[in-house]
Amino acid sequence: ETGVTQSPTHLIKTRGQQVTLRCSSQSGHNTVSWYQQALGQGPQFIFQYYREEENGRGNFPPRFSGLQFPNYSSELNVNALELDDSALYLCASSLHGQGRTDTQYFGPGTRLTVL
Amino acid sequence: DQQVKQNSPSLSVQEGRISILNCDYTNSMFDYFLWYKKYPAEGPTFLISISSIKDKNEDGRFTVFLNKSAKHLSLHIVPSQPGDSAVYFCAAKDNAGNMLTFGGGTRLMVKP
Repeated sequence: ETGVTQSPTHLIKTRGQQVTLRCSSQSGHNTVSWYQQALGQGPQFIFQYYREEENGRGNFPPRFSGLQFPNYSSELNVNALELDDSALYLCASSLHGQGRTDTQYFGPGTRLTVL
Repeated sequence: DQQVKQNSPSLSVQEGRISILNCDYTNSMFDYFLWYKKYPAEGPTFLISISSIKDKNEDGRFTVFLNKSAKHLSLHIVPSQPGDSAVYFCAAKDNAGNMLTFGGGTRLMVKP
């Protein structure tokens, strides 16, 4: 069984640029959620994708957008990067349909630094 | 406004003793709770969960207790091992079930 993978591991961008982060879900999972973890804090929910559509969104501006592909992999896009976007971005996959008990399994994250 | 709080940023415990990590929440709509463990340079790893219809769930050395009236849950690790040293996050879901709301984490250090 393949776990959740994310790429790249690290990324450095400058303010105003755009970035794309990628996630491959765990085998058999059909739902992907993205979280932002700032230094010293817990992860914060950005959004979730199921059946290639956004299925819930946290308190993040529209410049955070995403995609889910037919193979359930996903991308997180952030436009007009700001210094405060520097964080660890975590992707989690789960199997939708088990109700609120469907457990989310996390990848290792992408460390984004905005200069 | 933090809906899930872990008030102890760190905890140090001797190997073999009990570790107790605490978590408080304010949103009464939360009805499912999870604990994750995170090592440096890795993503959070699921440990154990509990539904609001229960007050205790046990899995090996890990037990989670839920006190709904106090909006409080705790994770007990017995006996603690040096390999348990990590950051522990509690998380909660409401009945919409889409998102996890995390606490700020507690760093556990188990000393040999």
